[in-house]
Amino acid sequence: DAGVTQSPTHLIKTRGQQVTLRCSPKSGHDTVSWYQQALGQGPQFIFQYYEEEERQRGNFPDRFSGHQFPNYSSELNVNALLLGDSALYLCASSFRGTGFSPNEKLFFGSGTQLSVL
Amino acid sequence: GIQVEQSPPDLILQEGANSTLRCNFSDSVNNLQWFHQNPWGQLINLFYIPSGTKQNGRLSATTVATERYSLLYISSSQTTDSGVYFCAVDHGSSNTGKLIFGQGTTLQVKP
Repeated sequence: DAGVTQSPTHLIKTRGQQVTLRCSPKSGHDTVSWYQQALGQGPQFIFQYYEEEERQRGNFPDRFSGHQFPNYSSELNVNALLLGDSALYLCASSFRGTGFSPNEKLFFGSGTQLSVL
Repeated sequence: GIQVEQSPPDLILQEGANSTLRCNFSDSVNNLQWFHQNPWGQLINLFYIPSGTKQNGRLSATTVATERYSLLYISSSQTTDSGVYFCAVDHGSSNTGKLIFGQGTTLQVKP
């Protein structure tokens, strides 16, 4: 049973470029959340996708956008990259089901390390 | 917004020792989880524990929601326990799906 998978594992971009990160949730999960973790800090919530819609959003600018596909996989897009966007980007999956069930255990992928030069 | 504070920030132990990590939060929570981030960056979910006590092998956790704190106990520590331990909460009257992480406790277990 595959866990949460993310690609690529590492990425180097220059300021002003755009980047797309990808995530496949754990089998049986339908909800994907994205987090940004700067060096030495705890992860910060970017947004969450469920039923192909953005359901919750953290304090991140519109340069950060996402998408969820019918197979529950997700993409995180960042436009107009800044040096401060350098961080580990983590994808987490969970199961919500058909109702608003408690957001129980999150399972994280290994992350994408993004470096902006 | 809700504040999550973890203590101590750093901890160095000799293999075999026991330890207690603490997480204080400033508002009521409906979701609290403990994670271990290994030296390779992988975040492993240890416990989902909005209240009560749970045990899993050498690890156990207790959350006293009314007093707004949670404790993670590590017994007979091993070098593989090294890494950063995070507490994360979701607050308010209903689950929002947005976890707020503390700054973490960095644990180093020496052989």
